[in-house]
Amino acid sequence: GNSVTQMEGPVTLSEEAFLTINCTYTATGYPSLFWYVQYPGEGLQLLLKATKADDKGSNKGFEATYRKETTSFHLEKGSVQVSDSAVYFCALFGNEKLTFGTGTRLTIIP
Amino acid sequence: DAGVTQSPTHLIKTRGQQVTLRCSPKSGHDTVSWYQQALGQGPQFIFQYYEEEERQRGNFPDRFSGHQFPNYSSELNVNALLLGDSALYLCASLQNPYNEQFFGPGTRLTVL
Repeated sequence: GNSVTQMEGPVTLSEEAFLTINCTYTATGYPSLFWYVQYPGEGLQLLLKATKADDKGSNKGFEATYRKETTSFHLEKGSVQVSDSAVYFCALFGNEKLTFGTGTRLTIIP
Repeated sequence: DAGVTQSPTHLIKTRGQQVTLRCSPKSGHDTVSWYQQALGQGPQFIFQYYEEEERQRGNFPDRFSGHQFPNYSSELNVNALLLGDSALYLCASLQNPYNEQFFGPGTRLTVL
């Protein structure tokens, strides 16, 4: 079946640091890939997506590239802010459902 | 344009009781999926409803059941509650044939 493996957290960075959260997947066919963000006490918000190989999703300074050859979709941001503190989930859409990773808690220190 | 809404926000039940959670999809969306998110974990797919029928189901027991109404809103029912059912229950909607799902704020269920 489909599965998503995420970099384990928690991750703590200083403001303006560079961020990478690793995500790899196992799936049949060509799934769409997503990053969702969850702020404390809230539901999930779509951060970015990519629907085919070599697509780059981007939003709010975050980027991720769909790499079919390495089955990866790593999340990056060049300069993080305190407001980026949240839990980040990598997910794939296949067989009519989303399969999520376990999430990575990110804390940014001023 | 209202997004996905869920009710109630919080719920406390005791073991053995039954619970019903409700979800209204985003305007224009015809498909609703339910997910269970245990503390510190990623959401797990429960089932999906389309055209008032269960179209896909995850690895959850029959105690979990659902319904979709003609206006596309949906209910999740859980019978014979167990302590392990304590979680955040998320509803997501989408419009076929697209796969981008929009999530509601969730219902926090606590089973004592």
